[in-house]
Amino acid sequence: DQQVKQNSPSLSVQEGRISILNCDYTNSMFDYFLWYKKYPAEGPTFLISISSIKDKNEDGRFTVFLNKSAKHLSLHIVPSQPGDSAVYFCAVYNFNKFYFGSGTKLNVKP
Amino acid sequence: EADIYQTPRYLVIGTGKKITLECSQTMGHDKMYWYQQDPGMELHLIHYSYGVNSTEKGDLSSESTVSRIRTEHFPLTLESARPSHTSQYLCASKVPGLLNTEAFFGQGTRLTVV
Repeated sequence: DQQVKQNSPSLSVQEGRISILNCDYTNSMFDYFLWYKKYPAEGPTFLISISSIKDKNEDGRFTVFLNKSAKHLSLHIVPSQPGDSAVYFCAVYNFNKFYFGSGTKLNVKP
Repeated sequence: EADIYQTPRYLVIGTGKKITLECSQTMGHDKMYWYQQDPGMELHLIHYSYGVNSTEKGDLSSESTVSRIRTEHFPLTLESARPSHTSQYLCASKVPGLLNTEAFFGQGTRLTVV
């Protein structure tokens, strides 16, 4: 039973524009949410996180928004750059384990 | 920077062979994890460990086994590889502390069983 869902397998965005990646989760008791970025043939690398006591966390071009009532989080990348092209995984950390979504492949066109 | 290493990066092996995927980290992290990922799919947790001599099966049933004799080392073994084991295997460790939710991943092992 998938606890984290990313319903968009791919997203294409023009360089300089905003990229918005979405994620839904099933359990309202989840406290910690993370985004990871993965290039082909490499392991995921941590990007940004947010706890349930916040609704927004920002780090440079990356901002994560959390909507607890909708059980939804999103990652905004502004401005998008070609080097951002990768697969982005949403994850939750619960009871010492990480649960990941299926990823969204972002393509930023020059 | 993460110091977690997986070997080999790529492995092609025949059916029935025994294989061990290596994972080592030099950060002293207690919690370590093995994930399996097929293209376009989520990362599935197959094993985890809270420390030395602690191993647990994850949510995805796997025929592999793990051991944790040393903090820094968390190898995964398949006694008899089958084509259904073809996948990418990712090892991770977690920064200590309740408020630190970041996990560091190795580069993964792409296993192909022919």
